[in-house]
Amino acid sequence: QSVLTQPPSASGTPGQRVTMSCSGSSSNIGSKTVNWYQHLPGAAPKLLIYSNTHRPSGVPDRFSGSKSGTSASLAISGLQSDDEADYYCAAWDDSLNCPVFGGGTKLTVL
Amino acid sequence: QVQLVQSGGEVKNPGASVKVSCKASGYAFTTYGITWVRQAPGQGLEWMGWISTYNGNTNYAQKFQGRVTMTTDTSTNTVYLDLRSLRSDDTAFYYCARGFTIGYDFGDYPYWGQGTLITVAS
Repeated sequence: QSVLTQPPSASGTPGQRVTMSCSGSSSNIGSKTVNWYQHLPGAAPKLLIYSNTHRPSGVPDRFSGSKSGTSASLAISGLQSDDEADYYCAAWDDSLNCPVFGGGTKLTVL
Repeated sequence: QVQLVQSGGEVKNPGASVKVSCKASGYAFTTYGITWVRQAPGQGLEWMGWISTYNGNTNYAQKFQGRVTMTTDTSTNTVYLDLRSLRSDDTAFYYCARGFTIGYDFGDYPYWGQGTLITVAS
């Protein structure tokens, strides 16, 4: 059971905008910043969003992050077939004294 | 450019130990700590622990306390993950990663190793 809760699946059609959520508590998302990763099979995870809303160099602006209270969201606009992947949120947890990951959301591009 | 290169995959018997290496290059090694994350088949990402490459301080996930040791060798810019008393559910890809923030681990890793598959089976 992950400390951060993500829906197991999401889907969209090419060109569509999809959002996925990450729910936590006051000891993590409520007081710390959230990061988002894209994970393709056989590859290392890729950092998409850090500090709630910032994109590392090279990440398209189709990807955006937001946070409100104890929840965070990742939005992908202009959905493409190669966006099909697993997406994970992560944040520091003050109670566990370590970073924690969500269980991941599997995005399917229909 | 920052690179993290890990050692190759291994097959281990239950009860054995495994040591995975992560060699860093392209930046001042002792400035950033290294984190280890794993992913078991069909499971999500799991944070295992972090080591300061500056002074060797560690922070391990409670789940692995007593079974894991992370060490650093500043002469070769290499970090090691040692996992003991292996079980079948330790079968996973093991990744090393480097964060954005000097000296801390906030769960933000722009740089990753390629992953090392450790298979535990008799």
